[in-house]
Amino acid sequence: EPEVTQTPSHQVTQMGQEVILRCVPISNHLYFYWYRQILGQKVEFLVSFYNNEISEKSEIFDDQFSVERPDGSNFTLKIRSTKLEDSAMYFCARTGGKSNEQYFGPGTRLTVT
Amino acid sequence: GENVEQHPSTLSVQEGDSAVIKCTYSDSASNYFPWYKQELGKRPQLIIDIRSNVGEKKDQRIAVTLNKTAKHFSLHITETQPEDSAVYFCAATPSHNTDKLIFGTGTRLQVFP
Repeated sequence: EPEVTQTPSHQVTQMGQEVILRCVPISNHLYFYWYRQILGQKVEFLVSFYNNEISEKSEIFDDQFSVERPDGSNFTLKIRSTKLEDSAMYFCARTGGKSNEQYFGPGTRLTVT
Repeated sequence: GENVEQHPSTLSVQEGDSAVIKCTYSDSASNYFPWYKQELGKRPQLIIDIRSNVGEKKDQRIAVTLNKTAKHFSLHITETQPEDSAVYFCAATPSHNTDKLIFGTGTRLQVFP
């Protein structure tokens, strides 16, 4: 099945700056997820988004994070004031034809200096 | 909340041998258990999954077993090949009311030719 694409592939930013990571669906999916993976560690759930609303978020997803679908297609994750510990791979995922199956995009590597 | 533990953290096998990776989960309401393969610098790729109403599922050289009573599930790879070398993650969906994935800590599998 077609996956989602993500831009940029790599983002370098200074601590305190805002970053926006984008997820571009290939087709009209309704369910999206954001996960992050700190280098060498496990994948961690951040937030799920259904029909233009947050359906669930984790403890990691604090006030510094927000998600939007600004133009009805792209799906964005914004970090308002980045910290060093935000450095990680950020993956967007979508559900497949069967319930629960999640397919990951290629990821955005965020480096905060 | 749900906690997923995964063992071993590293596994080295000779080409042609079998590999087994085990995971345990804490939430007895968990109902969906996928396995992902992640090659270096790439996205996690869904390779097989099992739902709570099934005890075993097989797809060519890979199989997954689920023991709901003991709350553990395992990935079995037979006739391993060098291209099976990757990090494997198990995951669980905590209950019927959520579709977030809780991941294990990963197993680095090395298959030596």
